[in-house]
Amino acid sequence: ERVMTQSPATLSVSPGESATLSCRASQSIASNLAWYQQKPGQAPRLLIYDASTRATGIPARFSGSGSGTEFTLTISSLQSEDFAVYYCQQYNNWPPLTFGGGTKVEIK
Amino acid sequence: QVQLVESGGGVVQPGRSLRLSCAAPGFIFSDSAMHWVRQAPGKGLEWVAIISYDGSNKYYADSVKGRFTISRDNANKMLYLQMNSLRTEDTAVYYCARDRTQGHKWNLSFDYWGQGALVIVSS
Repeated sequence: ERVMTQSPATLSVSPGESATLSCRASQSIASNLAWYQQKPGQAPRLLIYDASTRATGIPARFSGSGSGTEFTLTISSLQSEDFAVYYCQQYNNWPPLTFGGGTKVEIK
Repeated sequence: QVQLVESGGGVVQPGRSLRLSCAAPGFIFSDSAMHWVRQAPGKGLEWVAIISYDGSNKYYADSVKGRFTISRDNANKMLYLQMNSLRTEDTAVYYCARDRTQGHKWNLSFDYWGQGALVIVSS
């Protein structure tokens, strides 16, 4: 099973600043990684797939990078609606499909 | 407009059964693989099961294998999760999620999610 580790657990950022979230895989997953955003009481929303491709309707301030075992989600110029929990998910080796533990982006 | 609407959640005693349903209007349901993903209260996301576009292939997380069964009715655009021998650790919000299937080939990320159905297993 591929274990996904996200860091930091919590990130405090001021509106307008950028945020960098990390996701590490226990073994290589090539570029088979997705990022999701989840707000309280809501379902997750797909942001990025194949490590760097934005999903339909996702603003350009969200960008993904990385391959192998190290991945990054960058949110430039954070808006109020971006404060949420972010999860990475690998789909290279399965079953099972696995998620990271999440990073909460909170207002500083 | 893609919509996924779960139903069937509730409170159930350990060892009992429950069936979740997911209605999927608004897209060509029979073209997409489908998943169930769950989230225990205050915890992260856990993948539960996948079913191929035609129902011929199914895979499960080890934590539910042998107890849960995923199925679909393409004519009626419905996805199901039959949950037997429920345990307290199965308490979670259960989401149905559409696979980002392309050309009947599953992609294994989730491009649309339902609002979730809460299942509480408690005596």
